[in-house]
Amino acid sequence: KQEVTQIPAALSVPEGENLVLNCSFTDSAIYNLQWFRQDPGKGLTSLLLIQSSQREQTSGRLNASLDKSSGRSTLYIAASQPGDSATYLCAVYGGSNYKLTFGKGTLLTVNP
Amino acid sequence: EAGVAQSPRYKIIEKRQSVAFWCNPISGHATLYWYQQILGQGPKLLIQFQNNGVVDDSQLPKDRFSAERLKGVDSTLKIQPAKLEDSAVYLCASSLGHQETQYFGPGTRLLVL
Repeated sequence: KQEVTQIPAALSVPEGENLVLNCSFTDSAIYNLQWFRQDPGKGLTSLLLIQSSQREQTSGRLNASLDKSSGRSTLYIAASQPGDSATYLCAVYGGSNYKLTFGKGTLLTVNP
Repeated sequence: EAGVAQSPRYKIIEKRQSVAFWCNPISGHATLYWYQQILGQGPKLLIQFQNNGVVDDSQLPKDRFSAERLKGVDSTLKIQPAKLEDSAVYLCASSLGHQETQYFGPGTRLLVL
């Protein structure tokens, strides 16, 4: 059974700081890995999708890396802003079941 | 392009009552998903449709939950009878195919008293 773990559970940083969110998964036989953002009372917004054959993806100030063999991914956020405050969820597709398995998320607070 | 629509946004019911949620996916998306997200947890897949057929419902509590997707477009998720532990946000998502990016609706927040 695929299990996804996200560390830390919560993170508070001052504006302008660069930060890293971590995600690990137990079954490396995945098709892709996605990072989502969830704002309070809202649905999920897909930020980045990394295919299993890729090592990283970039979008603006966001960079996600994938090391499938070690079962790890990181989401790097450069020059954080208060508007980045949200819960960030990591999810993997594949493994022993063909479905998206989510971690519990990291609650990020960026203080002005 | 319109996103995934869900209604209602909020629902409060008493235990043992029934409730239904509605989802309209992005036009042209063949795959539709219902997730349950309990406070402090990541979303958990309840059921996945490909067009109007069920692909995976292994985590759907079938004694009380049911879902259908008529004509391969809109979908409804029903709970009957509801239990206290069903209090959660119910998220609908859709994608072009089962390995493609999933787009989520705003969710329905259910509180069972």
